[in-house]
Amino acid sequence: GENVEQHPSTLSVQEGDSAVIKCTYSDSASNYFPWYKQELGKRPQLIIDIRSNVGEKKDQRIAVTLNKTAKHFSLHITETQPEDSAVYFCAAQHSGNTPLVFGKGTRLSVIA
Amino acid sequence: GAVVSQHPSWVICKSGTSVKIECRSLDFQATTMFWYRQFPKQSLMLMATSNEGSKATYEQGVEKDKFLINHASLTLSTLTVTSAHPEDSSFYICSAPTTVASNQPQHFGDGTRLSIL
Repeated sequence: GENVEQHPSTLSVQEGDSAVIKCTYSDSASNYFPWYKQELGKRPQLIIDIRSNVGEKKDQRIAVTLNKTAKHFSLHITETQPEDSAVYFCAAQHSGNTPLVFGKGTRLSVIA
Repeated sequence: GAVVSQHPSWVICKSGTSVKIECRSLDFQATTMFWYRQFPKQSLMLMATSNEGSKATYEQGVEKDKFLINHASLTLSTLTVTSAHPEDSSFYICSAPTTVASNQPQHFGDGTRLSIL
């Protein structure tokens, strides 16, 4: 089955700097890659996603890149702010009716 | 947008108690519901997949007799933790796709924090 690896597990950046989180997946049939932000005690919130027919997607300060050949995708957050501090999870999905397989998460701390 | 309502949000109970968690799809038909468990400082791990009108499929290592799943209608799936013990304390969360089409976001419930004393 699918296996998703996520790095780093913790990341501290100064406010205003960029943060990059990387994930790799094992199943070449996976074709949907969402990123979630989870605050303590709350459900994961979808922040951006990318589909296998796209190499890059951007939404304001957040961007995601996908390299299908290498089977890895990355989350880029620019101009980080303290409210960006949270745990971020990447995930991969094979098809609409299959579950998401999550990475182990990255705890991002943005230092003011 | 699509909403999944999950209740209760927080349960504290004594060891040996059975606890039922409900997930309802409010504005779409959820033929499939995924149940995840998240221990503190860990990721979401799939426990089981429920399909309306059929038996749930469980992931390896998840006891089907302990975690009873029922998906009797297109809008309701329930997870019952039977005879819960402290090691079952965790954050339980459901999610459902709104369509069987690929590449669409799933919709999560708000989660249930279960604490067994």
